[in-house]
Amino acid sequence: EIVLTQSPGILSLSPGERATLSCWASQSLVSTYIAWYQQKPGQAPRLLIDGASSRAKGIPDRFSGSGSGSDFTLTISRLEPEDFAVYYCQQYGRSPRTFGQGTKVEIK
Amino acid sequence: QVQLQESGPGLVKPSETLSLTCSVSGGSLSSSSYYWDWIRQPPGKGLEWIGNIYYSGYADYNPSLKSRATISADPSKSQVSLRLSSVTAADTAVYYCVRSRGCYVEYMGVVTLSGCSMDVWGKGTTVIVSS
Repeated sequence: EIVLTQSPGILSLSPGERATLSCWASQSLVSTYIAWYQQKPGQAPRLLIDGASSRAKGIPDRFSGSGSGSDFTLTISRLEPEDFAVYYCQQYGRSPRTFGQGTKVEIK
Repeated sequence: QVQLQESGPGLVKPSETLSLTCSVSGGSLSSSSYYWDWIRQPPGKGLEWIGNIYYSGYADYNPSLKSRATISADPSKSQVSLRLSSVTAADTAVYYCVRSRGCYVEYMGVVTLSGCSMDVWGKGTTVIVSS
């Protein structure tokens, strides 16, 4: 199974700041088989990024994804109040599908 | 617009079988473009993929569940079901029904159709395992 490790576990930032979230895969993915999700308390996750760098429908352009192989990044260019949430990466290159443990972006 | 709604008992006794149903509206289970997944999230923890099913009836599962999970689909009722046998307290979680888009993935030179990113999620249903 491919293990995804996200860092940091908690990111304390202020609105307007830039957030950089990392996701490392225990095995290199042949292609960009990574998705990113946002989850707010009491809600289901929401797809943000597909194929490592493609924004899902309706996702603001302040969200961007990059990376390949084993190293992937989600960047939020300027944090809005509604962006404070938990973010998960997920790989779909191999079964079983796996998720990272999550990064919580909290208000500083 | 596709919507997913999970339903089932909120309380299950240890050693019994958990049974959940996902009702799909606004879309067809017979579409070759999508897979239908079950994801769970224990209280205060992260997300775990349970498995998925394709319109052909092919199902794939997380080996961590040690063959306790069974996913089925009834296109005539627009429903996807999950059965999880021999439950313990560790199976207490919010269970989500999810649609994932089908895409082609390559591994060791072999290309296969697979469930990929998860673009539509149900609200989730809480299941507590307790006597």
